[in-house]
Amino acid sequence: NAGVMQNPRHLVRRRGQEARLRCSPMKGHSHVYWYRQLPEEGLKFMVYLQKENIIDESGMPKERFSAEFPKEGPSILRIQQVVRGDSAAYFCASSPSAGQGNYGYTFGSGTRLTVV
Amino acid sequence: GEDVEQSLFLSVREGDSSVINCTYTDSSSTYLYWYKQEPGAGLQLLTYIFSNMDMKQDQRLTVLLNKKDKHLSLRIADTQTGDSAIYFCAEKANAGKSTFGDGTTLTVKP
Repeated sequence: NAGVMQNPRHLVRRRGQEARLRCSPMKGHSHVYWYRQLPEEGLKFMVYLQKENIIDESGMPKERFSAEFPKEGPSILRIQQVVRGDSAAYFCASSPSAGQGNYGYTFGSGTRLTVV
Repeated sequence: GEDVEQSLFLSVREGDSSVINCTYTDSSSTYLYWYKQEPGAGLQLLTYIFSNMDMKQDQRLTVLLNKKDKHLSLRIADTQTGDSAIYFCAEKANAGKSTFGDGTTLTVKP
């Protein structure tokens, strides 16, 4: 069981470029969550997705950020026209269900985005 | 909205007990969690407690929940240097996202 796979582990982008972060959830998990961790700060919720649906995007910035979780393939977090303030660690987590039950998250190792 | 607060730092000596505290605001929280993050890694789920419980023990870990005061604590007995990490408290209502605290950095001195 490979767990939650995120790639790339490290990503360097110049200001104005696009960043694409990928997340494959744990086998059997259909719920994906993206969190951002800024230096010296905690985890901030960004978006929660199920296959082909965005369930809660209340933490996503209104512009430049988008997320998808297609029927086939990994979940993608896309940041257009990156700025230095986007530099952070982006973590993906998955769970088998978001409903009843104690389902804690299984986290990936994160993608560390550096904007230069 | 939901809010989860933790003290930022804790330092203990090897062999002592560590107690990490957390407060939360959402009275509809159904599950409360403790996660551990080691340097350069993702978060690892350590333990959880259901909101109708007041204590849970799992080997060296003891979780205490005071639902009235919305206070959660994690006690690590016989703390080892390998326990040095950032510990996150998190809450979740029945469905939807978890809200995390900012993490407590635990330093264990030999």
